[in-house]
Amino acid sequence: DTGVSQDPRHKITKRGQNVTFRCDPISEHNRLYWYRQTLGQGPEFLTYFQNEAQLEKSRLLSDRFSAERPKGSFSTLEIQRTEQGDSAMYLCASSLVDGKYGYTFGSGTRLTVV
Amino acid sequence: QQQVKQSPQSLIVQKGGIPIINCAYENTAFDYFPWYQQFPGKGPALLIAIRPDVSEKKEGRFTISFNKSAKQFSLHIMDSQPGDSATYFCAASGTASKLTFGTGTRLQVTL
Repeated sequence: DTGVSQDPRHKITKRGQNVTFRCDPISEHNRLYWYRQTLGQGPEFLTYFQNEAQLEKSRLLSDRFSAERPKGSFSTLEIQRTEQGDSAMYLCASSLVDGKYGYTFGSGTRLTVV
Repeated sequence: QQQVKQSPQSLIVQKGGIPIINCAYENTAFDYFPWYQQFPGKGPALLIAIRPDVSEKKEGRFTISFNKSAKQFSLHIMDSQPGDSATYFCAASGTASKLTFGTGTRLQVTL
């Protein structure tokens, strides 16, 4: 287990299509986070899970976005009816329960909506 | 509402110089202040972090200075090297461990 893994690394989709991203966290980490990063900006929080429970969702996460972590291990982030404004890097991170030792981020999925 | 303000936006220093990046926060509930380094095409990587009960923390060539009363903290990189060229983000979090990031500083270290 070498870190947080995200798949795919890149995704190009047509506007209106649905996309799904996967994140595999570090196995002993209880918390899993999704962030979105646009060019020249810092990551923005979207949502996080503790085990399988989704504990918080940002107002940035519209009804078109849904995230799951069904067995408390990997997580998926789905975007329905994609819009050009959804183009961004989607980052997943994991941490121990209180984040004391910091997050470990994956390399992200870069989404381009054309 | 931007809760963590970061400056400068970009910085160029010569090898061996000491770049300083500054951040200011508003939310007094924040109790954890990490700095992340990000290379193109990669996710952010934790460099160093501090909690508000100390005013300074050093790890290798990286130092965080923290001023609780001013709600400001800064990153100093000693003896900077070309390999330090990257984008640096400050961040802050409270009890929920959700991080609020600054807007980033693009650092270039020249020979």
